[in-house]
Amino acid sequence: GAGVSQTPSNKVTEKGKYVELRCDPISGHTALYWYRQSLGQGPEFLIYFQGTGAADDSGLPNDRFFAVRPEGSVSTLKIQRTERGDSAVYLCASSPIGGEQFFGPGTRLTVL
Amino acid sequence: QKEVEQNSGPLSVPEGAIASLNCTYSDRGSQSFFWYRQYSGKSPELIMFIYSNGDKEDGRFTAQLNKASQYVSLLIRDSQPSDSATYLCAVSGGYSTLTFGKGTMLLVSP
Repeated sequence: GAGVSQTPSNKVTEKGKYVELRCDPISGHTALYWYRQSLGQGPEFLIYFQGTGAADDSGLPNDRFFAVRPEGSVSTLKIQRTERGDSAVYLCASSPIGGEQFFGPGTRLTVL
Repeated sequence: QKEVEQNSGPLSVPEGAIASLNCTYSDRGSQSFFWYRQYSGKSPELIMFIYSNGDKEDGRFTAQLNKASQYVSLLIRDSQPSDSATYLCAVSGGYSTLTFGKGTMLLVSP
C-alpha cells in the first residue's frame, strides 16, 4: 500500500517568507508526527497529533511554527517569517496507536 | 532534558564481520528503544525495537538492552556492504514521541 507522502520534496524560500509543508499519512493511521533533521543530526521531535488534536507540541521551537490536522488525516506544518536556521529536512511519520512509526521521504527546506 | 548519545563514527568493518553499535540514554523513565537505519538522502527505517532487558534477535540483527546501565546496543552479524548507513538510536517514554541520537555511520568494506 501507499506509504507516507510529503510535498513538496524540496522548498527553497527567502528569509522572512511563509511556507507550508504537507504530510499525507498512511490510511488508517491515527497518530502523526513531525520531526526536523539538520545535517549530521538525528531527527528532532516537533509535534504529535492523535486524531485531529495536537497531543504534544512541546518540540515546536517557537511561535513561528504551527501545525494543523483538521480532519485527522493530512497535516500541514506552517512556518512564518522563515529564518536561515529553519533550513533542514522536515520529516513526517505516522503510526497506528502504539505501533511502529513509518517515515515519509521528507521535505528539504532551504531558507536563503 | 532527555538525551540520547551515540558515537558518530564512522565505524568501519570488513564484510562478514560483526558490527557493534552503542547508545546511552539519560531518561530512566524511557520504556521503548528503537534502532533505525538511514541511508544517505533517505528517511529513517525501523529495523529493531526492544522493551525488556536482555537480547532480542531478528535475523542478522540483535538488540541488547540494559536499563540499569541505560545502555542499548545493536549487533549486526555477517555485515554486508548494503548495511553501510547511519544507524539511529531512539528512545520513547510513556508517549509515542521519539528522542533520537545523532546516529552512528557504519561503513562495511567489501
